[in-house]
Amino acid sequence: EPEVTQTPSHQVTQMGQEVILRCVPISNHLYFYWYRQILGQKVEFLVSFYNNEISEKSEIFDDQFSVERPDGSNFTLKIRSTKLEDSAMYFCASTLDSIAKNIQYFGAGTRLSVL
Amino acid sequence: DQQVKQNSPSLSVQEGRISILNCDYTNSMFDYFLWYKKYPAEGPTFLISISSIKDKNEDGRFTVFLNKSAKHLSLHIVPSQPGDSAVYFCAASDVSNSGYALNFGKGTSLLVTP
Repeated sequence: EPEVTQTPSHQVTQMGQEVILRCVPISNHLYFYWYRQILGQKVEFLVSFYNNEISEKSEIFDDQFSVERPDGSNFTLKIRSTKLEDSAMYFCASTLDSIAKNIQYFGAGTRLSVL
Repeated sequence: DQQVKQNSPSLSVQEGRISILNCDYTNSMFDYFLWYKKYPAEGPTFLISISSIKDKNEDGRFTVFLNKSAKHLSLHIVPSQPGDSAVYFCAASDVSNSGYALNFGKGTSLLVTP
């Protein structure tokens, strides 16, 4: 069964460093998302991406964050200068099309630890 | 601002019995509701969904009920099995949301005991 793949599973970084979290969405999906879950809190929407541009972003997704689809398969989330409060599980998700837009399929997540 | 609320952090049910997980929402613009299941070290897995034009959707052992006037939905699992033990998230999306962002509740941890 097709699945969303995220790498690495765990990323440790020093405060102020840049990190790139990588995702390979399901191959024929058209909509891509990033969410995060801080320990003990709910899963929060960060950004959605369609047709090579951001379609929506939350207040969390400030200038420190960026997303990119550098080729036909990868979807990346970059945090330019990490802060302690960026420590969280980051989930990538994808959706087939606008008809199935609400059913999002999630990867296993990347645990980001900022020291 | 918590638009989707799951007020029970945990629930314990005996195998074979019914599990009922509840979810309340505040945003009347929500038009689609989903339940996800999550095991440790895995991402949320889609379980079942319901559109706001319906009040019930059933898939095998899982049934979701929607009460729009009360802004409440529930997930029924019958019969419950030990493999159902996981965290269950309620999520909702907003008809005016062009990015189709999902709003999640905090989750309910279900334990099904043999």
